[in-house]
Amino acid sequence: QKEVEQNSGPLSVPEGAIASLNCTYSDRGSQSFFWYRQYSGKSPELIMSIYSNGDKEDGRFTAQLNKASQYVSLLIRDSQPSDSATYLCAVNEGAQKLVFGQGTRLTINP
Amino acid sequence: EAGVAQSPRYKIIEKRQSVAFWCNPISGHATLYWYQQILGQGPKLLIQFQNNGVVDDSQLPKDRFSAERLKGVDSTLKIQPAKLEDSAVYLCASSSQGSQPQHFGDGTRLSIL
Repeated sequence: QKEVEQNSGPLSVPEGAIASLNCTYSDRGSQSFFWYRQYSGKSPELIMSIYSNGDKEDGRFTAQLNKASQYVSLLIRDSQPSDSATYLCAVNEGAQKLVFGQGTRLTINP
Repeated sequence: EAGVAQSPRYKIIEKRQSVAFWCNPISGHATLYWYQQILGQGPKLLIQFQNNGVVDDSQLPKDRFSAERLKGVDSTLKIQPAKLEDSAVYLCASSSQGSQPQHFGDGTRLSIL
């Protein structure tokens, strides 16, 4: 199975600052990339998807993809305490399978 | 749009007992997934269905785990007999097709005593 690597954290960011989450993947053929947010005791919730190189913005969230470097990141601007959660990076393997990283635990400090 | 439904939410059993989980995907979603998520780890795919056919079960421990999706809609995942290391959250997800984003149910938290 192909690998998806994330720093497990915890990553601590002050309220109002930018949180930067990173993910690397091993399968050069991957075409679909997703970020999920998972609150403690809850199921993963899709927050961003990105399919082509560059940036994709949605509100306070920006996903960045660099296929040459096999790197995908998530930026959260104006971080809020409600953003405190585990963020999971998921990358497709083949046509239909998703491989998840172990997740980065993010804490926003008021 | 109703989300992915799973039951039960919690289950506690003793090792060597059997247990079954149920999942009903989002209406119209052809692809259904079962994941195992151990505390502190990301979800690990156990089995993937496309309609009522198995697409990938390479990481399913087939000596003790089984799953079916007989009518191409809802699905059951069974563990028999359970081991201590099976303690985890079992997540069901669905997508309209394999390449589309997956949407997760609330999961079943399984504890093995």
